[in-house]
Amino acid sequence: GNSVTQMQGQVTLSEEEFLFINCTYSTTGYPTLFWYVQYPGEGPQLLLKVTTANNKGSSRGFEATYDKGTTSFHLQKASVQESDSAVYYCVLGRGSALGRLHFGAGTQLIVIP
Amino acid sequence: EAAVTQSPRNKVTVTGGNVTLSCRQTNSHNYMYWYRQDTGHGLRLIHYSYGAGNLQIGDVPDGYKATRTTQEDFFLLLELASPSQTSLYFCASSDGQRANTEVFFGKGTRLTVV
Repeated sequence: GNSVTQMQGQVTLSEEEFLFINCTYSTTGYPTLFWYVQYPGEGPQLLLKVTTANNKGSSRGFEATYDKGTTSFHLQKASVQESDSAVYYCVLGRGSALGRLHFGAGTQLIVIP
Repeated sequence: EAAVTQSPRNKVTVTGGNVTLSCRQTNSHNYMYWYRQDTGHGLRLIHYSYGAGNLQIGDVPDGYKATRTTQEDFFLLLELASPSQTSLYFCASSDGQRANTEVFFGKGTRLTVV
């Protein structure tokens, strides 16, 4: 079946530190992979997406690379800011209706100024 | 900018009660979705629809019904609410016609079943 694993429930960093959030997935075929971000009081919103065609996505200083060999899709940012504090979800898109999203458990990022 | 509006934003009901959560999107999207969000699980898909009158079962459908009355409006029905349905519910919409489609979420409805 489909599964997405985010082992880090919470990550705490100081401003300007490097961010790495680990994500692995299991599915058949070649899915579309997303990172969604959720700020307090809001619904999730798309941060970036990657397909098998390009293998890498970036947005707002965040980068993610899709590695089919290790079935991983890690999120990175070179230098975090307090405004990056949010919950980050690794998400698998599947099926003919690609809005059928399969979410990981989420990683709470806390950035201390 | 895509817009998905949910109502009510908060709801408290008793066990066995009848609850309807409403969602309207103004994006002219074909697909609409209901998710629930629980700690440790992320968001899980309850039901979805690809047009008025259509309903598809998601991953956690038990205890929920849904109805899509128009392209804009999608409702989630809990006819015999139970405490296990206490959760934060999100409605979403997407174009669904293109690969790599973005899904747009509302701000959520917090439901408490006491």
